[in-house]
Amino acid sequence: GENVEQHPSTLSVQEGDSAVIKCTYSDSASNYFPWYKQELGKRPQLIIDIRSNVGEKKDQRIAVTLNKTAKHFSLHITETQPEDSAVYFCAASINTGGFKTIFGAGTRLFVKA
Amino acid sequence: NAGVTQTPKFQVLKTGQSMTLQCAQDMNHNSMYWYRQDPGMGLRLIYYSASEGTTDKGEVPNGYNVSRLNKREFSLRLESAAPSQTSVYFCATAGISNTGELFFGEGSRLTVL
Repeated sequence: GENVEQHPSTLSVQEGDSAVIKCTYSDSASNYFPWYKQELGKRPQLIIDIRSNVGEKKDQRIAVTLNKTAKHFSLHITETQPEDSAVYFCAASINTGGFKTIFGAGTRLFVKA
Repeated sequence: NAGVTQTPKFQVLKTGQSMTLQCAQDMNHNSMYWYRQDPGMGLRLIYYSASEGTTDKGEVPNGYNVSRLNKREFSLRLESAAPSQTSVYFCATAGISNTGELFFGEGSRLTVL
């Protein structure tokens, strides 16, 4: 089955710096790659996603890149702010009539003011 | 609209006891999921239901059973709880247009003593 690895597990940056989180996946049939943000004590929420026919997508300060050949994808956050502090999860999905979504282990991001 | 509602929010069980976690959605979504979240291990898929009448195993199905009662409801049952099942459980749904985005409930914290 699908396996998603995520690095680093913890990331600490200064406010205003950039943060990069990287993920790899194993199943070449995966065709949808979402990223979720989870604040302390809250539920995960989608922040950005990318599909297999796209190499890059940007939404304001966040961007995702996908390299299907190498089976890896990354999240980039620019101009980080303290409110970006949270746990971020990457995921890989296969559409089997409904999406089967497997998550990475998560990255705890600390943004220091 | 309540979105995705899980009950109970908190539960303490003794080893060997049984219980059912309930999940109901009013979003008219086809697919429903159960995940467990443990520190450092991300969100692991227990079971999912791509549509009413179907269920499939995820990454960690052992010790659990599920029922897709109708389109709105998807329950998770622990027949004989074990301390290893202490976790936060999230129910999620995916949209009717099958974009793949997951919408999570608030989570249920289960402790097995």
